[in-house]
Amino acid sequence: EDKVVQSPLSLVVHEGDTVTLNCSYEVTNFRSLLWYKQEKKAPTFLFMLTSSGIEKKSGRLSSILDKKELFSILNITATQTGDSAIYLCAVVQGGSEKLVFGKGTKLTVNP
Amino acid sequence: NAGVTQTPKFQVLKTGQSMTLQCAQDMNHNSMYWYRQDPGMGLRLIYYSASEGTTDKGEVPNGYNVSRLNKREFSLRLESAAPSQTSVYFCASSDRGEQPQHFGDGTRLSIL
Repeated sequence: EDKVVQSPLSLVVHEGDTVTLNCSYEVTNFRSLLWYKQEKKAPTFLFMLTSSGIEKKSGRLSSILDKKELFSILNITATQTGDSAIYLCAVVQGGSEKLVFGKGTKLTVNP
Repeated sequence: NAGVTQTPKFQVLKTGQSMTLQCAQDMNHNSMYWYRQDPGMGLRLIYYSASEGTTDKGEVPNGYNVSRLNKREFSLRLESAAPSQTSVYFCASSDRGEQPQHFGDGTRLSIL
């Protein structure tokens, strides 16, 4: 059975801390991995990773994929209260239109 | 540019009632999806449509039907609502399956 496992499920930090969110997967015919941020409503796209070892970066957020060990990490440096959200990891199966989502990591950044 | 629009935003139903959730996208995307999100469960795929005229089951299709009315619109129908279908429903679209999906703001559905 295909699955995506995120850890931790929840995390509370103080502003300025650096956090690392984890996503491991067991998916038939892996094609790509995506990270989303979900605040009040719709998940919004952060990164798509297809190649192993190549870091994607956007401001204080960065992500990297390890296709050999079947995991990805999302790093957030100098966290701000606006980073508080659920972060979702999803994997696309090759030859399929479907995404398999993990359960998400709920990040709370306190002032 | 609206992106993905879902209606209604909120709905309360009684057990056994029927309901259609509407979704429309204005990005000329080929693929459309319906998910449900329950606390602690992440997003689970109900049905998807890879192109106009095609639909396929996802992870949790029981109790639901879908219609891909045209390229823009993809509706989700609950024929006989059950309390277990209380959830937040998200519609999404993408140009192709491997491309990032764009999500609507969700429909919060409560079934009493």
